[in-house]
Amino acid sequence: ELKVEQNPLFLSMQEGKNYTIYCNYSTTSDRLYWYRQDPGKSLESLFVLLSNGAVKQEGRLMASLDTKARLSTLHITAAVHDLSATYFCAVAPRGSNDYKLSFGAGTTVTVRA
Amino acid sequence: GAGVSQSPSNKVTEKGKDVELRCDPISGHTALYWYRQSLGQGLEFLIYFQGNSAPDKSGLPSDRFSAERTGGSVSTLTIQRTQQEDSAVYLCASSAGGPTDTQYFGPGTRLTVL
Repeated sequence: ELKVEQNPLFLSMQEGKNYTIYCNYSTTSDRLYWYRQDPGKSLESLFVLLSNGAVKQEGRLMASLDTKARLSTLHITAAVHDLSATYFCAVAPRGSNDYKLSFGAGTTVTVRA
Repeated sequence: GAGVSQSPSNKVTEKGKDVELRCDPISGHTALYWYRQSLGQGLEFLIYFQGNSAPDKSGLPSDRFSAERTGGSVSTLTIQRTQQEDSAVYLCASSAGGPTDTQYFGPGTRLTVL
């Protein structure tokens, strides 16, 4: 069974500073997603990472994937208030069940002034 | 274009009653997924539909849960004889074609079983 661990689970950020969220997973995968969820809302797709060494950037967010280490990171640069949300990583297993994403527990981010 | 829609947005029911939750995927999307999000937890896969293929129901937690997808579009998740532990947000997602396509999520149905 594919297990996905995110840390930290809670992250209090100060505006203007940089932070990293980590996503570790237990079995081989070549596909990883990052989603954002605002309170009471659904999940919004942020990034899809499809290969070892993949890096995607959008605004203050940058995601990377190391399939050998089974690790993805979501880096936040110069945090701002509107980045407050819960961030989930989701990993697709290899093989015929590759549609069955396994999600991490989520990292709840609060950005304070 | 319109995203994934779900109804109702909130459902409060009494223990033992049956409930039906509806999902309208993005038009043209052939793959449809149901997930459950319990308080403080991540998302739990429930079921996957792809075109006319037999669905993967391996994530359904008990035989009280069932789902169907009519005409390759709208899907209904039915929970019979609801229990308090069924209380959760039920999320539906769809993707364009294959399983590698990004899944787009609906707003969810918050189910509360009293």
